[in-house]
Amino acid sequence: DGGITQSPKYLFRKEGQNVTLSCEQNLNHDAMYWYRQDPGQGLRLIYYSQIVNDFQKGDIAEGYSVSREKKESFPLTVTSAQKNPTAFYLCASSIGGEAFFGQGTRLTVV
Amino acid sequence: AQSVTQLDSQVPVFEEAPVELRCNYSSSVSVYLFWYVQYPNQGLQLLLKYLSGSTLVESINGFEAEFNKSQTSFHLRKPSVHISDTAEYFCAVSDNSGAGSYQLTFGKGTKLSVIP
Repeated sequence: DGGITQSPKYLFRKEGQNVTLSCEQNLNHDAMYWYRQDPGQGLRLIYYSQIVNDFQKGDIAEGYSVSREKKESFPLTVTSAQKNPTAFYLCASSIGGEAFFGQGTRLTVV
Repeated sequence: AQSVTQLDSQVPVFEEAPVELRCNYSSSVSVYLFWYVQYPNQGLQLLLKYLSGSTLVESINGFEAEFNKSQTSFHLRKPSVHISDTAEYFCAVSDNSGAGSYQLTFGKGTKLSVIP
């Protein structure tokens, strides 16, 4: 089945730790995105990548980092610099403007 | 730059009643328009989309939306809702000028609650 796979589904982080969220797609899409979702705030763009080895900051990139070494993979690292990382994170890929989403990772700081 | 406004954050409606979820957008270029649905703790699923052609688009589960360019709206409607329609709905717009990066801009979402 073609699609977007995010892992893990739930993730717990201690304060001061970096954590990496995985996103893999087998749709052969060039563009990939990371969004953060908080209640009542919709989806906010963290980073996006239109091609391998290239990515751009979105609206709320501070405290996050990404890499795009392979077309299929776009991992997101939540660093200790992100002051309020507890949220639901969604990865997507797109073609022709239409996005396809993974099932999300819920990150909680403990 | 583009933006999306969903005018209602929550919409309660009785089962089998009609519903309309409102969406307005602004953009300096021509756009593609989308409605996504999200069930609790899941990702977003595409409900329907307007790319070109007929301004009225339909989904397989009875929803429809009409692109109104003059009013810059893309309201979502269903003539008779079911309990299973309870979810959060997101309107989104994407640049289709050919020069953009096809970034999707989302509204803040409308929570539809269907009351038995």
